[in-house]
Amino acid sequence: DQQVKQNSPSLSVQEGRISILNCDYTNSMFDYFLWYKKYPAEGPTFLISISSIKDKNEDGRFTVFLNKSAKHLSLHIVPSQPGDSAVYFCAASESNTGNQFYFGTGTSLTVIP
Amino acid sequence: NAGVTQTPKFHILKIGQSMTLQCTQDMNHNYMYWYRQDPGMGLKLIYYSVGAGITDKGEVPNGYNVSRSTTEDFPLRLELAAPSQTSVYFCASSYVGETQYFGPGTRLLVL
Repeated sequence: DQQVKQNSPSLSVQEGRISILNCDYTNSMFDYFLWYKKYPAEGPTFLISISSIKDKNEDGRFTVFLNKSAKHLSLHIVPSQPGDSAVYFCAASESNTGNQFYFGTGTSLTVIP
Repeated sequence: NAGVTQTPKFHILKIGQSMTLQCTQDMNHNYMYWYRQDPGMGLKLIYYSVGAGITDKGEVPNGYNVSRSTTEDFPLRLELAAPSQTSVYFCASSYVGETQYFGPGTRLLVL
C-alpha cells in the first residue's frame, strides 16, 4: 500500500534545460514533504522540503511546488546540470507525529551533457 | 563530525544465522531510524527511536529487533535471517521529526 508514489521511474533531460520530477500521495493527513537525492552506493541526502502551509519553496536551482487539492508535489531543477544525475525520492509525513516518513519509489534523473 | 556511520558496508549471511547492523551518529540527534530499500522500491521504515530507551515499530518490523541504550547508537538485530531480508539497510537520525540524515547503507545478502 504505497502512500507516496513516483510514477516515472526515470527521466532524461538535456543539460541546461528544466527537470520536473513528480510525486503523488494518497494520505490527506500528510503535511510535510521532502525531496532527497541519492547517488549510487551512498545514503540519501536532503535536498529541499515544504510544509502544507506553503505552495512553493525555492532553494537556488531547486523549487518544490505543492498542490494540496491534487495531492501532488513536484520538484523543478533549473538549469539542470550533469551533477544532478541521481535518484530522487520524495517523502511525506504528518508533522504532528514527526516519526514516520513515507518514501516514494524514486525517479532516476539523467542529465545529458 | 562523521554524521551517521554504519557497519558493515556489505555482508553475506546464511539462512537462519543472526547478525547485528551497527549505526552510530555524532550529531546528538534524539530521533533515529532504520529503513530498508529493496530494488526498485522506496525506503520502508523498519523501526525508529525517539530517544534512549524508547523504540517503536515502523511499516516492516517483522524479523528485526532494535535497542537504544545510548543517544549515539541504534543497532538493528536480524534473528534467523531469511532470503526476504536481502536488502540495503539505511540508518538515519534527526532532531524532533525534522530532516533526516542518512548513513551510507549496509548491503546485506542472505543466501
